[in-house]
Formats: sequence, C-alpha cells, structure tokens
Amino acid sequence: EAGVTQFPSHSVIEKGQTVTLRCDPISGHDNLYWYRRVMGKEIKFLLHFVKESKQDESGMPNNRFLAERTGGTYSTLKVQPAELEDSGVYFCASSPMTSGVIQEQYFGPGTRLTVT
Amino acid sequence: AQTVTQSQPEMSVQEAETVTLSCTYDTSESDYYLFWYKQPPSRQMILVIRQEAYKQQNATENRFSVNFQKAAKSFSLKISDSQLGDAAMYFCAYSDNNNDMRFGAGTRLTVKP
Repeated sequence: EAGVTQFPSHSVIEKGQTVTLRCDPISGHDNLYWYRRVMGKEIKFLLHFVKESKQDESGMPNNRFLAERTGGTYSTLKVQPAELEDSGVYFCASSPMTSGVIQEQYFGPGTRLTVT
Repeated sequence: AQTVTQSQPEMSVQEAETVTLSCTYDTSESDYYLFWYKQPPSRQMILVIRQEAYKQQNATENRFSVNFQKAAKSFSLKISDSQLGDAAMYFCAYSDNNNDMRFGAGTRLTVKP
C-alpha cells in the first residue's frame, strides 16, 4: 500500500511569488491534515479535511494560504504571495474515518519550502 | 488549549544503552491519545508508539515503552538497547476528539557507536 506522498520535496521561491504544494493521502483515507514546522519549533496544525470539506481550518495563519481538496482525494495548499516567515516544512497526514476511536495519522515526507 | 512540551531539544545515548525522552502535556479532556513519532534523517515521520488515556497499562512496542502518568500529565518514551537506527527527531503528540494533533518541539536523539 502506498503511503502519503507530497510534491515537491523541496521548493525555493522568492518573496511575493506563489507556490502550490500537493498531498496525496493513502487511498480510502477520508481525513487529511496539513501541518507546518518552522525551523526549531513545534509542528503546528494548519487544517483538517474530511473528504472534500474543511472540518477545521483554525490553524491557517492568514488569507495568503488556500487549501483545497476537490473530489476528496488529493489536496493542494497554495501560498500566495509567499513571505519570508512562510519558510518551513509542510507536512501532510491522512487517517481513515472511524467513529469513537482516534486514529493514527500517517505522515508524508514533507515539503521543505524556502522563501528568499 | 492543549499544549505539548518537550523540554529536551537534544539527547544522546551510547549504543546498547537506555535513554528516556520527556514529554508533558496540558489538557482538560479526559479522553485522548498520546503518540510518539520518529522522524529519521530521510524525513518520513513514522509512529513509534501510542497510548490511550483510559488505559492504565503503559504501552510497549519491542524496545520502546512509555511511562504514562495521567495525573502528572507526563508521557515519557524509553528506548532500551539503543541502536544506531534509532537516531532521529522524536516528536511527542496529543490528539483528542478534535482529531488534529498537537506536537511538541521535538527531541533530536543521537546514538553514539
């Protein structure tokens, strides 16, 4: 079974440019999460999809970040325009939908974003 | 708000020895899960061990075990017989019915041959 994949693995862009990160969850996983780790800090939650719906986007830092999950399969996270403080590693995770049981989240390898 | 604290940014252990990584958390929930994730240099984060808060028995997975102290809100990870492949960043994480995970800042473990 293929794991969570993310593309690209590394992106270097200039301040003001746009970048789109992609996450392909494990097939059949309805839950999809985005997290970000700024260098040396904790991994912070950004948002949570259940299928194509945003369940919780309380962690999104500002309106320069736009996440989509059309059709409930893969997800994209677009940063427009990028700022220096957006640099970090963006992780995607997925988990199956169950009721009453908190599931392990399966993480992708992350996308390292560097804004110069 | 739930928070997770890892007070040890870096730890080192001699190969074959035992090391304990610390984690404390804060929550007002009674039903939650705690996790330890490992991120080797190749970057894919994988689950090491998990603990359900309602279970009193400490979880164990081969050489990995936890010391879960619910009243103290402490969740430490013990690695026995450390191996070179254990070198990685270790993240403590918390999750409740909100489903999103709260992570600590991580502990970088070095294993010395």
